[in-house]
Amino acid sequence: EAGVVQSPRYKIIEKKQPVAFWCNPISGHNTLYWYLQNLGQGPELLIRYENEEAVDDSQLPKDRFSAERLKGVDSTLKIQPAELGDSAVYLCASSLGGPADTQYFGPGTRLTVL
Amino acid sequence: GIQVEQSPPDLILQEGANSTLRCNFSDSVNNLQWFHQNPWGQLINLFYIPSGTKQNGRLSATTVATERYSLLYISSSQTTDSGVYFCAVEETSGSRLTFGEGTQLTVNP
Repeated sequence: EAGVVQSPRYKIIEKKQPVAFWCNPISGHNTLYWYLQNLGQGPELLIRYENEEAVDDSQLPKDRFSAERLKGVDSTLKIQPAELGDSAVYLCASSLGGPADTQYFGPGTRLTVL
Repeated sequence: GIQVEQSPPDLILQEGANSTLRCNFSDSVNNLQWFHQNPWGQLINLFYIPSGTKQNGRLSATTVATERYSLLYISSSQTTDSGVYFCAVEETSGSRLTFGEGTQLTVNP
């Protein structure tokens, strides 16, 4: 069974440019998560989807970040415009049910904003 | 929100040694998970253990929910055990995992 797939693995952009990350969860997993991981810290939840619905987006900086999960499968996370402080690893995870279920993580996208 | 503290922050071992990692949390939880992040950044779930004890090979974990801590035991450590170990909890009043800052483990040959 394929794991969580993310692309790209690495992205370097200049500040004020837009950037998008893509995630394909494990087949059949209803819940999808986007996390932000800064260097030396644990992941922090940005947004959680249950099927197509964003059920927890309270930590998503909505002035510049947006996300969508069309048809309840793949998801895209976008930043526009990017700032220097957005440099981090963006992790996608999925689980069969909600947060109480085991979460499976993708390899992450390492973003560098110059 | 809930606070999650992990100790020690860094640990260096010789191959074959045993170790214990600790996770303290500040409020009641209904979900606690241990993860390993390898040197290439991949996060792997090790245990779902809101209470009790579980074992998987050389790894075992114990959570004492009433005293708000969890322990991860690594026996006969191997170089492939190197990486960062995270504890993550979901408080009973919440619906998200909160991660600690991790324990950086280095196992030398």
